[in-house]
Amino acid sequence: DAGVTQSPTHLIKTRGQHVTLRCSPISGHKSVSWYQQVLGQGPQFIFQYYEKEERGRGNFPDRFSARQFPNYSSELNVNALLLGDSALYLCASSLTGLPNEKLFFGSGTQLSVL
Amino acid sequence: AQSVSQHNHHVILSEAASLELGCNYSYGGTVNLFWYVQYPGQHLQLLLKYFSGDPLVKGIKGFEAEFIKSKFSFNLRKPSVQWSDTAEYFCAVNGASGTYKYIFGTGTRLKVLA
Repeated sequence: DAGVTQSPTHLIKTRGQHVTLRCSPISGHKSVSWYQQVLGQGPQFIFQYYEKEERGRGNFPDRFSARQFPNYSSELNVNALLLGDSALYLCASSLTGLPNEKLFFGSGTQLSVL
Repeated sequence: AQSVSQHNHHVILSEAASLELGCNYSYGGTVNLFWYVQYPGQHLQLLLKYFSGDPLVKGIKGFEAEFIKSKFSFNLRKPSVQWSDTAEYFCAVNGASGTYKYIFGTGTRLKVLA
């Protein structure tokens, strides 16, 4: 079975641009979460989606948005990029997104903002 | 504020040495606790989790962790480490009811010398 897949693996953007990151969950998983991991830090929660509905949002500005599609894949969008948005963006999937469930992580998208 | 503290940022051990990685959390209410591991070149994966019952939890590859509620701690242990345990270890917590936000610690980089 394929794991969680994310695309692209690496991305370079300049300040002020917009970026879209994509995630395909494990087959059968209906929940997708997004995390930002800055070098030297642990992953920080951005969003969780379940059945196309936003279930939770972390402390990120409105420049960050996401959505989940009927096939349970997801996109993370970031507008007006800042240098501080440079990070590894991780997607994780789980069956239903309940708090005691195991998260399955993808390998991430490394975003560099110049 | 909700937080997770991992006191050891870098740990170097020789093979067969015993391991204990500290994790303390600040979180109101009932919690679920996790240890995730990231081996070099691989994605984050679950090592073990606690959500109820026996506070001593056994995970994969001989790891175990003990939940001590009075100390808000969930330390990870292994009696005898192997070179293949070289990895980064993250402690994480979320609320057991109604919140889907995982809070991760900053991680501990473990290097095991052969």
